[in-house]
Amino acid sequence: DSGVTQTPKHLITATGQRVTLRCSPRSGDLSVYWYQQSLDQGLQFLIQYYNGEERAKGNILERFSAQQFPDLHSELNLSSLELGDSALYFCASSLSWGTYEQYFGPGTRLTVT
Amino acid sequence: GENVEQHPSTLSVQEGDSAVIKCTYSDSASNYFPWYKQELGKRPQLIIDIRSNVGEKKDQRIAVTLNKTAKHFSLHITETQPEDSAVYFCAASNNAGNMLTFGGGTRLMVKP
Repeated sequence: DSGVTQTPKHLITATGQRVTLRCSPRSGDLSVYWYQQSLDQGLQFLIQYYNGEERAKGNILERFSAQQFPDLHSELNLSSLELGDSALYFCASSLSWGTYEQYFGPGTRLTVT
Repeated sequence: GENVEQHPSTLSVQEGDSAVIKCTYSDSASNYFPWYKQELGKRPQLIIDIRSNVGEKKDQRIAVTLNKTAKHFSLHITETQPEDSAVYFCAASNNAGNMLTFGGGTRLMVKP
């Protein structure tokens, strides 16, 4: 157990819908990262937050957004869902920004039908 | 941006043999190189990492080497066991971004 929690574990929804994925970092960690894992794209960085502020952006679609709250938990919002958005979404956390170890949560498996 | 290539994509070894997985990276600013093990349907688990000021790091049966000049790093697993069977990912990052750029993964199968 890494200490990073994610809810829900599984999510099944229809195309065009909107979902919210939630992540709580390890105690004491200030940075949160979101990654998408799909069969054809592998593990891809989406976005990073540090102490409530967006720090870095990767290949995140405009339909996706995220935020980090004062209690440091983070939410990833996915809207206008398409079949291709079906994937495992992982959250990771680290102590700070810079080259610190990142620990991954158990992931949320999103299935869009 | 950074690009990480990983080889081989699949690796099958007999229990007790050694396994080596290799990665190359493109961005000379990258200075942190972790390795993750992922079992089916589970989270990536950090197993070892190395920073650019070190050439080699060992932890029991696993070791990682880094060649900054050639921009490649490798994972070595000795005395493999069936429980080592999983997908292994290498990654690279730097101080500026800290996001991890992952290689494509290596499926390691250890046959009893």
